[in-house]
Amino acid sequence: DVKVTQSSRYLVKRTGEKVFLECVQDMDHENMFWYRQDPGLGLRLIYFSYDVKMKEKGDIPEGYSVSREKKERFSLILESASTNQTSMYLCASSLVVGPGEIQTFGAGSRLTVL
Amino acid sequence: GENVEQHPSTLSVQEGDSAVIKCTYSDSASNYFPWYKQELGKRPQLIIDIRSNVGEKKDQRIAVTLNKTAKHFSLHITETQPEDSAVYFCAATTKLGGTSYDKVIFGPGTSLSVIP
Repeated sequence: DVKVTQSSRYLVKRTGEKVFLECVQDMDHENMFWYRQDPGLGLRLIYFSYDVKMKEKGDIPEGYSVSREKKERFSLILESASTNQTSMYLCASSLVVGPGEIQTFGAGSRLTVL
Repeated sequence: GENVEQHPSTLSVQEGDSAVIKCTYSDSASNYFPWYKQELGKRPQLIIDIRSNVGEKKDQRIAVTLNKTAKHFSLHITETQPEDSAVYFCAATTKLGGTSYDKVIFGPGTSLSVIP
């Protein structure tokens, strides 16, 4: 069973703080993704990575950056958190991309920025 | 950019009735359409998918149909049960602009409530 583990389930941060959200997967998946989930907007892709040290912007990358130093770990960074970044953040990984892709999600990290 | 629309946003059905969720996509090159189910407080999980060379796929009480000409696809749940209550997301693959990479675009979700 693929496990995608997000280190923090709940975080409360202040405006301007730097925030790290960590995600680790244990099935040697090449592909990893960060989404944010907001009511009525579904899952929106922030960044993704198809290989170590590789990153591509998704649909809403502004205000975020990522790091993939090791294959199993994909970190989402908020350099200076703002209140409009209060959201649920979901990490996912997959073995293939495109037809047949199955994304396995982590449990989510709910971030509140005060 | 490419997008996926999903309707309805909320759906209530009596236990035992059928539920239908409809999605449309904009990228005619999309060739893979997964559906994810997210129960309250849990992570999204794939429940069924369909490729563009297939018009219909069924797995027990759930089925998905695809009309490539009209660019729409639907999820059908028959004999609904309370445990079917969840948010359902449709999705479609599309090419990331300017690259050869595929990415998955999710619809906004449908909150299904099955009333016992």
